[in-house]
Amino acid sequence: GDSVTQMEGPVTLSEEAFLTINCTYTATGYPSLFWYVQYPGEGLQLLLKATKADDKGSNKGFEATYRKETTSFHLEKGSVQVSDSAVYFCALGKGNAGNMLTFGGGTRLMVKP
Amino acid sequence: DAGVIQSPRHEVTEMGQEVTLRCKPISGHNSLFWYRQTMMRGLELLIYFNNNVPIDDSGMPEDRFSAKMPNASFSTLKIQPSEPRDSAVYFCASSSLGGSSPLHFGNGTRLTVT
Repeated sequence: GDSVTQMEGPVTLSEEAFLTINCTYTATGYPSLFWYVQYPGEGLQLLLKATKADDKGSNKGFEATYRKETTSFHLEKGSVQVSDSAVYFCALGKGNAGNMLTFGGGTRLMVKP
Repeated sequence: DAGVIQSPRHEVTEMGQEVTLRCKPISGHNSLFWYRQTMMRGLELLIYFNNNVPIDDSGMPEDRFSAKMPNASFSTLKIQPSEPRDSAVYFCASSSLGGSSPLHFGNGTRLTVT
């Protein structure tokens, strides 16, 4: 079946450091790929998405490129802020199953001033 | 847009009691999802509906769990009887149909069963 694997956290960085959170997937067909972010006490929010190979999703300084050859969708940000501290979830979805998403286990990011 | 609205935000109950969680999806969305989040198991899909019809309930842990969607603007998740291992945060999410349409999550209900 479909699956998403994320690097385990927590990831602890100093403010303005470069961020990479790795995500790889296993799926048949051509899934869409997503990154969601969860702030404390809140539900998940869509951060960015990519719907086909080589697409780059971007939002709020975060980027991720859909790499079909390596089945990856790594999240990057050039300079993190304390306010980026949250849990980040990688997910894949397929149109033929509605919008049912398969989520990775989540990666907690902690940014220190 | 008020977003997905869940109630209550927190629920504390005793083992054996019935618990009902409520969700109002975003108006116009066709799909609704119930997820459970725990430290041990992460985010688990329990059930999802398309156009008010349950499509996949294979994630519902056991017969104690049931979900309904009587109309496009309301859904419930019921646990009867509740057990301590049901303690978790339960999220409702909604979206439009289509594989690239994002899910919009509510803020969750934190359930504690003592």
